[in-house]
Amino acid sequence: DIQMTQSPSTLSAFVGDRVTITCRASQSISTWLAWYQQKPGKAPKLLMQKASSLESGVPSRFSGSGSGTEFTLTISRLHPDDFATYYCQQYNSFPYTFGQGTKLDIK
Amino acid sequence: QVQLVESGGGVVQPGRSLRLSCAASGFIFSNYAMHWVRQAPGKGLEWVAVISYDGRYKNYADSVKGRLTISRDESKNTLYLEMDSLRSEDTAVYYCARDPRGSGWFSVFEYWGQGTPVTVSS
Repeated sequence: DIQMTQSPSTLSAFVGDRVTITCRASQSISTWLAWYQQKPGKAPKLLMQKASSLESGVPSRFSGSGSGTEFTLTISRLHPDDFATYYCQQYNSFPYTFGQGTKLDIK
Repeated sequence: QVQLVESGGGVVQPGRSLRLSCAASGFIFSNYAMHWVRQAPGKGLEWVAVISYDGRYKNYADSVKGRLTISRDESKNTLYLEMDSLRSEDTAVYYCARDPRGSGWFSVFEYWGQGTPVTVSS
């Protein structure tokens, strides 16, 4: 199985800050990587696929990059609505696997 | 709009069975692969199973292989997860999710239901 490791596990930031979350795969997954946002008690929401392709309706302050084994999710200027837990997911091969999550909370 | 509504969760004893359902609406159900993804309390996300648009292809996480069975009924626009020989480690919120495509390969989870909780406990 491909292991996905996110860092950091928790991140505290202010509204307006720029933040970056890193996701590393245990083997190359090309750009078969997605990012999700999950708020407490809610289902995850797909933000991005193919490492950098933003889903319709997702604000442009979200961006993604990377290929192979290292990927990043950047939020350019944090809004209050962005405080949530973020997961990466590889879909290069079965079983599809997720990172352990990065909880982004307000400082 | 796309809607996925799970049901069937509850409290069940170890070794017993449970069937989850996911009613789909707002799209042509028979065109898309469907998945189950679960989340144990306070934990991250775990992909469980996939079924292709026509039901011919299925795949499972090793942790559930042989105990959980995914199926679909096109006439009812409903996805199922038959859960047998349940264990305490199956305790989780179970989400159904729609694939953007039909095959189930190279899949992301484009739309999600609200989830149904399953607790396996004596």
